[in-house]
Amino acid sequence: IAGITQAPTSQILAAGRRMTLRCTQDMRHNAMYWYRQDLGLGLRLIHYSNTAGTTGKGEVPDGYSVSRANTDDFPLTLASAVPSQTSVYFCASSDSWHEQFFGPGTRLTVL
Amino acid sequence: AQSVTQLGSHVSVSEGALVLLRCNYSSSVPPYLFWYVQYPNQGLQLLLKYTTGATLVKGINGFEAEFKKSETSFHLTKPSAHMSDAAEYFCAVSRNYGGSQGNLIFGKGTKLSVKP
Repeated sequence: IAGITQAPTSQILAAGRRMTLRCTQDMRHNAMYWYRQDLGLGLRLIHYSNTAGTTGKGEVPDGYSVSRANTDDFPLTLASAVPSQTSVYFCASSDSWHEQFFGPGTRLTVL
Repeated sequence: AQSVTQLGSHVSVSEGALVLLRCNYSSSVPPYLFWYVQYPNQGLQLLLKYTTGATLVKGINGFEAEFKKSETSFHLTKPSAHMSDAAEYFCAVSRNYGGSQGNLIFGKGTKLSVKP
């Protein structure tokens, strides 16, 4: 199935716990992105990766880390979750300036 | 710095009426502009995009948008709303973020409601 998958679909997490959100694409896109979506704020870029082996910081990177060991996978890790990280997280990929393809999202609640 | 402003966080129209969702952008370089749609509990889906060439671009589901450089606008329209158009719509502009290709700046979104 072509596209982007994200896991888990949703998660409730205790504050202070570590959590990794998974993202996998099978379109062989070079670039991948992580966004968070919050009511009234639209989507904000957390981290991005231009190609396997490289990553960069977006608008709201604090408290998050990423890795890009291969083309297909781009996990997002919250080392010690806080309630302000309650959000819906979207992974996206792109092979050009022309379009980003989005995954279905992960709804994360930090208590 | 580039930015996107969507006028109106919530727009309500009657079925069959014109849909007009407003988007203004600021950019120091020629922009690439996008409209995405998000249905409830789903990810974002590309509606249409402007890169170069014709300023009136047509997208899926009967939507279109016109790039007006003099007005720095990229408003989204549809002549006749359908109930299935109810969703949230995001305007976005691409930017060069530290050399990254195609990083997008999103507006805050406009939720479209369609009344029967």
